[in-house]
This record gives sequence, structure tokens and C-alpha cells, in this order.
Amino acid sequence: AQKVTQAQTEISVVEKEDVTLDCVYETRDTTYYLFWYKQPPSGELVFLIRRNSFDEQNEISGRYSWNFQKSTSSFNFTITASQVVDSAVYFCALSELGTGNQFYFGTGTSLTVIP
Amino acid sequence: SQTIHQWPATLVQPVGSPLSLECTVEGTSNPNLYWYRQAAGRGLQLLFYSVGIGQISSEVPQNLSASRPQDRQFILSSKKLLLSDSGFYLCASSGQLSYEQYFGPGTRLTVT
Repeated sequence: AQKVTQAQTEISVVEKEDVTLDCVYETRDTTYYLFWYKQPPSGELVFLIRRNSFDEQNEISGRYSWNFQKSTSSFNFTITASQVVDSAVYFCALSELGTGNQFYFGTGTSLTVIP
Repeated sequence: SQTIHQWPATLVQPVGSPLSLECTVEGTSNPNLYWYRQAAGRGLQLLFYSVGIGQISSEVPQNLSASRPQDRQFILSSKKLLLSDSGFYLCASSGQLSYEQYFGPGTRLTVT
């Protein structure tokens, strides 16, 4: 079974629009970590955020914000006032404690911001 | 912070030829190391991970192998490449006290 689901394969928005990327995860562990990564056209994955299962506070970093809800097993990512430089593939990932820090990646959401 | 180096950046190899991709890590000791493959337009597939020198776990049976001859060196190899080995290979590292993985710039492999 897929542990991390990113149902949105591709999204296109016009510059300055807000966009939310969805991530739903599945785990039986009580301690786990969730991550978002950005993969620009160059290919290298860039770490954006880590959230542990005991911290449900939402986080904001500039135009980026993350909404973690254990009740719905979701960890959604919102970009406010999108810019062309935000165009990339975004991956959500799950790591369960005690698995050698193995990551379970979603299949990614390709975001295109149209100028 | 960690820095992950990978080389070569791009590689074109004929079917049946050998392969050696190298990954080295700076800025941390005794990291967990990972090899991923990303086929065109697809997600990341974990190939191997290592929690220490000489300790390799394989996630997917295939004609690839990995070795960790030094603490911060991780090598991906093949004796005979297949067309299906084409893809983007990423090396990643995580420290013992940090949970996030940091990725190298990747190697784009085309098998012809």
C-alpha cells in the first residue's frame, strides 16, 4: 500500500495565485516524520521542511506554509502569491522511527506557474 | 550542514557496459547513505541504503549493487547495464542526529 499519496499529478496556476499541494500519508507508528522537498528542473532535491508527529503546529516560512493534521493524516503545502521560480516538482515524504531513516516518497506534484 | 557530491553529472553508456557512480559526503560523520533512482517523469525509487561501512541493504532486486568502502563514500555499480537502468540517480545522506535527507546533484544516466 502506498504510504504517501500525492493525488495531484500536475497543477498549473497563474503567477500571484495561491496554490495548495496535497499530501496524505499512512502509518501505524506513533512517532514519525513528514517532509516536503522541491525538485527544480536542475534535478537536485531541496529540503523544505520537516515536521514530527508530535508537533501539529502549522508553520509559515515566507510565502510557504504547511498544514499538518493528524486527524486526517494530511500534511498540505501552500504557496502564497506564487512566482515563476516556484515551478518545480514537489515531493512529500514520510519517515517512520526505527526504519533506518528510510523515506517513503509520494509520486510528486508538478507545479507550473505561468507568468 | 552536509554537502553531497556526485559524479559524473551525466553519462551515456551502451547496453552491457559496466557502471560506477560515486557519491561522497562532507560535513557529517557516520551518515546514513542512500541511492535512489528516478525514471523520467516518475517518483523516487529507493535502491540501496547503508547505515555504516560495509553495511548495505537492498530494496529492489536488480543488476545493480552498492558498496561503502569508506564512511562517507557510497558507490553504485553494475557489471552489465540494461536499457531499463536509464534514469536519474540521486545519492542522499542523513546524519545520525538529523532526520532529513540531503541530496546530491544527481547523475543522469542514459543507456543506449
